[in-house]
Amino acid sequence: SQQGEEDPQALSIQEGENATMNCSYKTSINNLQWYRQNSGRGLVHLILIRSNEREKHSGRLRVTLDTSKKSSSLLITASRAADTASYFCATEGNDMRFGAGTRLTVKP
Amino acid sequence: SAVISQKPSRDICQRGTSLTIQCQVDSQVTMMFWYRQQPGQSLTLIATANQGSEATYESGFVIDKFPISRPNLTFSTLTVSNMSPEDSSIYLCSVVTGVGGYGYTFGSGTRLTVV
Repeated sequence: SQQGEEDPQALSIQEGENATMNCSYKTSINNLQWYRQNSGRGLVHLILIRSNEREKHSGRLRVTLDTSKKSSSLLITASRAADTASYFCATEGNDMRFGAGTRLTVKP
Repeated sequence: SAVISQKPSRDICQRGTSLTIQCQVDSQVTMMFWYRQQPGQSLTLIATANQGSEATYESGFVIDKFPISRPNLTFSTLTVSNMSPEDSSIYLCSVVTGVGGYGYTFGSGTRLTVV
């Protein structure tokens, strides 16, 4: 079942620009994860941030977590056309719940 | 969207044995995906199962350990072979649903404990 709500639902940017996607959730969590899904493909794990962490980096990805606001953001810097995909946040508490996703289009 | 029936929902197995997990989808789908979620970890894609061809495995996963069958467009099995306690995880199947190939539906998961 869905818990997280990503915004925006869709985002279109030019190559080289930064893309920021946000995720909000409702219950307490152990960790929050971001996934990418290319069209017609399976989910690919990008990054996991634990509830006691505030920020995490992986390559061009930067994730923040604010447990007081029950929100997270995913920043992709210097975007590329290959970053075009849907991005989902997932929260893990008593169970694992996914948001509806942000569809990112990066135009060359 | 598709409905997936996955079984068993849970099992406790002895090390060295094998377990086969089944997923039945209520509609025909081209690709099915198998994931593993180890305790406290993220969901990890094991393989993509296409009907009529061998599954495509992700780095770190091999066919001998996780053989997959895909006999038709509505059914797939994943076998966890020669199990060890490190294989204790939740295993999930998934299919792509939604417009443009985005979006997905998961099975209810199989919670495997290897003792």
